[in-house]
Parts: sequence; C-alpha cells; structure tokens
Amino acid sequence: DSGVTQTPKHLITATGQRVTLRCSPRSGDLSVYWYQQSLDQGLQFLIQYYNGEERAKGNILERFSAQQFPDLHSELNLSSLELGDSALYFCASSDGTGGDTEKLFFGSGTQLSVL
Amino acid sequence: EDQVTQSPEALRLQEGESSSLNCSYTVSGLRGLFWYRQDPGKGPEFLFTLYSAGEEKEKERLKATLTKKESFLHITAPKPEDSATYLCAVRSYGGSQGNLIFGKGTKLSVKP
Repeated sequence: DSGVTQTPKHLITATGQRVTLRCSPRSGDLSVYWYQQSLDQGLQFLIQYYNGEERAKGNILERFSAQQFPDLHSELNLSSLELGDSALYFCASSDGTGGDTEKLFFGSGTQLSVL
Repeated sequence: EDQVTQSPEALRLQEGESSSLNCSYTVSGLRGLFWYRQDPGKGPEFLFTLYSAGEEKEKERLKATLTKKESFLHITAPKPEDSATYLCAVRSYGGSQGNLIFGKGTKLSVKP
C-alpha cells in the first residue's frame, strides 16, 4: 500500500458529462501529481500541485482542471467528456522538495469509462 | 524534447530463464532514471533510481544498470510472481519541468 488514496475506483459516464476524481496524498507529502494512462500513450503527466499551488503543467486539456485544497487533498475535474477520455487516471504524491532523489508514490487509480 | 523508449513491448519467459529489459532515453541533462513495476489494476510501484552512468542497483532477482544513453533491467532466474509491466521514467533538467517522463513499458510474463 503506497499510502495514496484515490476515489472512486471505477467511474462510468456518458459523453458530454463532467466528473470529479479525488486524491489524498501520503501523510506528510506536499506535492500531488496527476497522470493519465491509456493503452497507446502510456503514462502521461497532466499537472502538479505543491502545497496548494500549481507547480507544473503537462499535457492537460483545457476541459480538464485540478486543484489542491488546504488539507492537501486534490481533485481532478474532467468536463465535456469525450470517448477518448476513457483511461486510467493516477494520482501520485511526493515530499515536493524537487530534489533529484524525490520519488513519486502512486495511488491505485480511477478507471474512467466514457460511453 | 525528453523521450523514453522501452523494448521489447512484451516479453515471455519460462521460470528460471534470465533476460533483460531495455530503456533508451533522450534528455537535456539527466537528473535521474527511475524503474517502476505495475501490476494489473494497480498503480506503479517504485523499484530503483539511478543517477549516473555506471551505477547499478539490485533488489532480489532484479538489477538495474545505467549508461549515458540507456538503462537495462536484468531479471535473473525469474519466477511467475515477477510477471508485471515494468516502466522506465526519467527526470531531466529540460522541458519536463523536473517531472517524470515515462516510457510505455515492457509487459513481462513468466510461465512456470
């Protein structure tokens, strides 16, 4: 168990809808990352937050947004969903120090299916 | 642009048959190369970090090595429980803003 908690585990929704994925980082970790994993693209970095502030942005669509709350949990909001958004969404956390030794610890993911 | 390429995409071994997985990378200054293991339906689990060419790290039947252009994950006398997808990732000084850039992984199956 990595200590990173993601809910829900599975989500089935329809095109055009909006969903929210939730992540609680490991105790003591200040940084949260969101990744999307699909069969053809592998793990793609979406966005990173550190202590409530956005730190880095990757391949995140404008339809997607995220935030990190004062208690350090994070939410990823996906709107106007399309079939191609179906994927595994992972949250990871780290101490956020930004050093070379910084490791990411991943949650078990949310499987999103858009029908 | 930072890139990570893993080969082969899939590898089938018999129990006890040693082999190696490859991770080739192109980065603007390597800060670290990471190996993760991912089981079906689970998130990636950290295995190793390597920082400089010539470095090696071992854990049970796994040994990771690093050169200036690639890393190898050697699996000695594998067991069925080693079956998983192995992911390689890099952290660089370049455009990835210090975040991990992953390869697509090698799916390893070990048959008894």
